[in-house]
Amino acid sequence: DAKTTQPPSMDCAEGRAANLPCNHSTISGNEYVYWYRQIHSQGPQYIIHGLKNNETNEMASLIITEDRKSSTLILPHATLRDTAVYYCIVRVGVSNFGNEKLTFGTGTRLTIIP
Amino acid sequence: DSGVTQTPKHLITATGQRVTLRCSPRSGDLSVYWYQQSLDQGLQFLIQYYNGEERAKGNILERFSAQQFPDLHSELNLSSLELGDSALYFCASSVKGGGASEQFFGPGTRLTVL
Repeated sequence: DAKTTQPPSMDCAEGRAANLPCNHSTISGNEYVYWYRQIHSQGPQYIIHGLKNNETNEMASLIITEDRKSSTLILPHATLRDTAVYYCIVRVGVSNFGNEKLTFGTGTRLTIIP
Repeated sequence: DSGVTQTPKHLITATGQRVTLRCSPRSGDLSVYWYQQSLDQGLQFLIQYYNGEERAKGNILERFSAQQFPDLHSELNLSSLELGDSALYFCASSVKGGGASEQFFGPGTRLTVL
């Protein structure tokens, strides 16, 4: 799986959009970009994933650059409950033995400020 | 609520002892993953089972073992416990073996070895 690089921490004002960057310059053509978050010591929570097109769901939007070497997770209207560690993970999309695990890095600690 | 349940929530035991952690996946999910989160190592994949069979192994110690039963619940057995085994242990499940499907995490079991 490709390595990812994320800033260790970010702050965002409540109500504003939180933009979390992720660099994955060695991503392969068959690898997806996944985002998970972990609030305090709870189990990680799936947010969104994408291959090359921008994706949006009820939680967030994922913008992937055309060369797929980086992406941005956007939380459109951050609330205090969005304070968490956000993990960007790159993983092969085709199921095969041994490649289905998630490899977590150190993530970005996002703090929403009232 | 992810639909994945783990018991017990907390476990305190002594060095040298053996414990069993239990995980019930979401209804219909065939794959179960175990992860360990310690302060110094972060979130690390331990092992995956798919429909009762071991599918992939990560950084799992020989003192640790797991299995998935016919009803698809899984147990992680930790033996000859050491102080360094103190950690959060998460179970996750997914519909099939991976692909582009997301993993849903349980609330975790906090193990403290004294």
